[in-house]
Amino acid sequence: DAGVTQSPTHLIKTRGQQVTLRCSPKSGHDTVSWYQQALGQGPQFIFQYYEEEERQRGNFPDRFSGHQFPNYSSELNVNALLLGDSALYLCASSLQGRSSYEQYFGPGTRLTVT
Amino acid sequence: AQKVTQAQTEISVVEKEDVTLDCVYETRDTTYYLFWYKQPPSGELVFLIRRNSFDEQNEISGRYSWNFQKSTSSFNFTITASQVVDSAVYFCALSEAGGSEKLVFGKGTKLTVNP
Repeated sequence: DAGVTQSPTHLIKTRGQQVTLRCSPKSGHDTVSWYQQALGQGPQFIFQYYEEEERQRGNFPDRFSGHQFPNYSSELNVNALLLGDSALYLCASSLQGRSSYEQYFGPGTRLTVT
Repeated sequence: AQKVTQAQTEISVVEKEDVTLDCVYETRDTTYYLFWYKQPPSGELVFLIRRNSFDEQNEISGRYSWNFQKSTSSFNFTITASQVVDSAVYFCALSEAGGSEKLVFGKGTKLTVNP
């Protein structure tokens, strides 16, 4: 049973560029949440997707957007990258209605913006 | 608003010592879940435990134990006879059941266990 997978593992981008990160949820899960973890900080909730729609959103600007596909996989897009966007981006999957109870995290994508 | 405070930024102990990681939380909800996660250098968050707000029983799992006290809004984590492999960053987290399903994390405590 495959767990949550994320790609790529590492990414280096330049300020102003755009980036897309990908996540495949654990088998059987239908909900994907994204978190940003800056160095030395705890993860912060970005948004959650279910049924291909954004269901909840944290305190992040519109430069952060996402998408969920019919197979439940998800993408996180960040436009106009800033140096402050450098972080570990974690994807978590769950069953809708049970995200508060149980989320499985992927290994993360480490984004460096130069 | 929900908030999780882990006042200890870094802790360093010698192998076989016992160590307690503190976690204090704030929430207006009566029903919520508390979690502890371990994050080794590889970065992946490893789930350790989940408690719901109605279950104040302390829990022990091998060398790990958790003390949940609603009266002080605390959910502390103790590692007994620490080992080098316990070195990691530990996060306490909170979520509200039936409402917002996001996890709210503390800033983490970096534990270093020296041989």
